[in-house]
Amino acid sequence: NAGVTQTPKFQVLKTGQSMTLQCAQDMNHNSMYWYRQDPGMGLRLIYYSASEGTTDKGEVPNGYNVSRLNKREFSLRLESAAPSQTSVYFCASSPKTGRGEKLFFGSGTQLSVL
Amino acid sequence: AQSVAQPEDQVNVAEGNPLTVKCTYSVSGNPYLFWYVQYPNRGLQFLLKYITGDNLVKGSYGFEAEFNKSQTSFHLKKPSALVSDSALYFCAVKEGSSNTGKLIFGQGTTLQVKP
Repeated sequence: NAGVTQTPKFQVLKTGQSMTLQCAQDMNHNSMYWYRQDPGMGLRLIYYSASEGTTDKGEVPNGYNVSRLNKREFSLRLESAAPSQTSVYFCASSPKTGRGEKLFFGSGTQLSVL
Repeated sequence: AQSVAQPEDQVNVAEGNPLTVKCTYSVSGNPYLFWYVQYPNRGLQFLLKYITGDNLVKGSYGFEAEFNKSQTSFHLKKPSALVSDSALYFCAVKEGSSNTGKLIFGQGTTLQVKP
């Protein structure tokens, strides 16, 4: 089973470049999330989508945009990359945005901004 | 505001010994608590959760966690550690009354189990 698939796995950008991180899930989940992981800081929520057609800001949304293209896909866009956005990015999904729902994570995208 | 603290950056134990990874939390209402594990170059995997009921929660791979409301703690435990348990462990909390996707993670604790 594929689960949550993220592309690309690795990316190097120059400051000011733009790119889109892709995420797709095949579990028919309603909710999808983007997190970033930085050493010593754990995971921080960037944006999430409770259901198709809706998106909401998380803890650290500045510098990012998202699109919930359909139920399966949730993309994260960096319009003008900055060195502070060097991080590992994880996409996750859950059946719904219920109180006790567990998250299913992709394997991550390692992004370096020079 | 919700927060989670994992006071130890790294925990070292010998194989066969019991292990504990500590977690304390702060939420304004009833907490929903989770433990996730991350193996190298992989995404996080769910281990267990506490929603309500019995304070001792059992999860995957022989792990368990004890919810202590008075100490606002949710420590992860295992009676006998395996070398294969070596990984990065994250505690996470969600306010029970919240229906949003906002799960707050701790900074993570690296567990090193030595043969």
